[in-house]
Amino acid sequence: EPEVTQTPSHQVTQMGQEVILRCVPISNHLYFYWYRQILGQKVEFLVSFYNNEISEKSEIFDDQFSVERPDGSNFTLKIRSTKLEDSAMYFCASSRTVQETQYFGPGTRLLVL
Amino acid sequence: AQSVTQLDSQVPVFEEAPVELRCNYSSSVSVYLFWYVQYPNQGLQLLLKYLSGSTLVKGINGFEAEFNKSQTSFHLRKPSVHISDTAEYFCAVISGRRALTFGSGTRLQVQP
Repeated sequence: EPEVTQTPSHQVTQMGQEVILRCVPISNHLYFYWYRQILGQKVEFLVSFYNNEISEKSEIFDDQFSVERPDGSNFTLKIRSTKLEDSAMYFCASSRTVQETQYFGPGTRLLVL
Repeated sequence: AQSVTQLDSQVPVFEEAPVELRCNYSSSVSVYLFWYVQYPNQGLQLLLKYLSGSTLVKGINGFEAEFNKSQTSFHLRKPSVHISDTAEYFCAVISGRRALTFGSGTRLQVQP
C-alpha cells in the first residue's frame, strides 16, 4: 500500500539555523499539507499546497516558513531561522482531492536547542 | 470558524470493555468528520470518516462513530477493546476551510 514518507525521522538543530524537512507524498496525490504537533498539544495545520502554490496557510506559517515541490516527488518545508518554540513533530500529509482522506507520514521530530 | 472539542484527555478502560471517546465540533457550514489514531512514536492513521450518507460510520479495527448533527457530535465507539488499542485518538473536521482542524486528542489506556 502506498504511503507518505518523511526524512529525517529526527533532527536536532541550534537556534537560528535553517532546517529542511522532506516528504514524499503518495504518487497520484495532488494536495499536500504540513502540520505540526508540539509535545503534549494538538496537531495544528501549517500550510496546504496545490498546483505548485500555497492554497492555504495558518497564522503559524509566517515568513520564516516556506514550502517547495522541487521535483515531481518531494515536498519540503523549510524553516529559515529556527526558534526554540519550533521544536515539535512535523507531519506531512497528502490527498488525491481536497475532500478525500489525508494520509499522514510518520513525522519528523525537530528539536531546537 | 471551525473547532473540535474532545472533552476527555484520558480514558482508562479494561480489556474487553466497551469504550466511547467523545467529540464535539462547531462549524457554520456542513462538515466532513474524521477520527485518526496515533500509536506511540508513529504517524496518524485514519480510523474512519463521515462525508455524507448514513450517520453511522464503520472503520478499521472494529471502531465505529455516529454523526449527530443536532448535537454536533461525532463520538467514537468500540464494543470491546484490546490492549493493542492503546493509543492517542484525534477527532478532526473539515468544513469551509480545506485543512483539517484537530481536537486535542484522547489517550485511550487499555488495562489488562
